[in-house]
Amino acid sequence: DAGVIQSPRHEVTEMGQEVTLRCKPISGHDYLFWYRQTMMRGLELLIYFNNNVPIDDSGMPEDRFSAKMPNASFSTLKIQPSEPRDSAVYFCASSYGTGGRETQYFGPGTRLLVL
Amino acid sequence: AQSVSQHNHHVILSEAASLELGCNYSYGGTVNLFWYVQYPGQHLQLLLKYFSGDPLVKGIKGFEAEFIKSKFSFNLRKPSVQWSDTAEYFCAAGSSNTGKLIFGQGTTLQVKP
Repeated sequence: DAGVIQSPRHEVTEMGQEVTLRCKPISGHDYLFWYRQTMMRGLELLIYFNNNVPIDDSGMPEDRFSAKMPNASFSTLKIQPSEPRDSAVYFCASSYGTGGRETQYFGPGTRLLVL
Repeated sequence: AQSVSQHNHHVILSEAASLELGCNYSYGGTVNLFWYVQYPGQHLQLLLKYFSGDPLVKGIKGFEAEFIKSKFSFNLRKPSVQWSDTAEYFCAAGSSNTGKLIFGQGTTLQVKP
């Protein structure tokens, strides 16, 4: 398997623009997670899905962030409008079985810079 | 509130030195504990995990961790580090009843050759 795939790997945008990050989980995995990593706050869980259904979005910072999982093989994280404080590395991860117990497999991340 | 704290943010060691990275957790109920590692330019990957049973858990690349319930700790150890162990290390806690993990802030380990 190719592992978790994320695109783009790098994104530079200007404040106010819409940003869409994409993730393809490992085939057969039923949990998908979106994380954000910054120097100040470390690795934060934004939202996770089980069988394509959002289960916990309490980590989503504000209404500018939204995430969808239209099918088992694709998820998006959208920021609209983007702000400089959204600059971070965004990771997608997937697991087979509950992420509180089973190994999470991480993608390479998307490094986002908002100017 | 559930939390994971890692005591050391940045550790610098010489090759062959022994390593111990601290991790303490605050988590209600039965907890599962993990150490993940992120090598430079690579994905986060699992080092080891503890669910139950023997509190001394062995992982990949010679790492081990000990679960001490009375101290709410899950410290990571390696008897002799190598330059290739330079990475960021994350401790995490979760439970079988929830789908998610709580991660610590991470510890950056730099091993000097």
